[in-house]
Amino acid sequence: KQEVTQIPAALSVPEGENLVLNCSFTDSAIYNLQWFRQDPGKGLTSLLLIQSSQREQTSGRLNASLDKSSGRSTLYIAASQPGDSATYLCAPCDNNNDMRFGAGTRLTVKP
Amino acid sequence: DTAVSQTPKYLVTQMGNDKSIKCEQNLGHDTMYWYKQDSKKFLKIMFSYNNKELIINETVPNRFSPKSPDKAHLNLHINSLELGDSAVYFCASSQDTGLNTEAFFGQGTRLTVV
Repeated sequence: KQEVTQIPAALSVPEGENLVLNCSFTDSAIYNLQWFRQDPGKGLTSLLLIQSSQREQTSGRLNASLDKSSGRSTLYIAASQPGDSATYLCAPCDNNNDMRFGAGTRLTVKP
Repeated sequence: DTAVSQTPKYLVTQMGNDKSIKCEQNLGHDTMYWYKQDSKKFLKIMFSYNNKELIINETVPNRFSPKSPDKAHLNLHINSLELGDSAVYFCASSQDTGLNTEAFFGQGTRLTVV
């Protein structure tokens, strides 16, 4: 059974900093890995999807990398802004559409 | 147009009642899911349906029963509701194969059992 760990659990930074959020998973036999953000009391918004054959994906100030063999993914946020404040969730998915979530990293970006 | 829509958004009900949460996706996806997010904000998969067939059924009580009348709908029925069922329930969908297997989530249904 896939277990997903996200570090740190919470992060508070001043505006403008570059950030790295870490995700590790126990079963490397994944089909893809997706990063989401969740705002308080809201649903999940997909940020980036990395297929198992890919090493990284970029969208704007976000860059996600995947090291499948070592069971790790990182989400890099450049030039953080207060609007980036949210909980960030990592979710690897296997070939049976079984998508498991980490507990998330709660990010606060202070103006 | 909302890609994945759930109704109701909020549901308050008494213990022992039976309730349903509806989910519809207009993305043409062939896989749909139900997740439960508890008070600690941890998301756990409950069910996964692919082309109307159950492919993942985590160890949830049999009071919970998913119903998929067609590929675009996956409803969640809950019988004999208990206090511990209070949580936010999320529906999601994704495409099983191809280059774009991104999962999309509904806005959630906050269930409160009193």
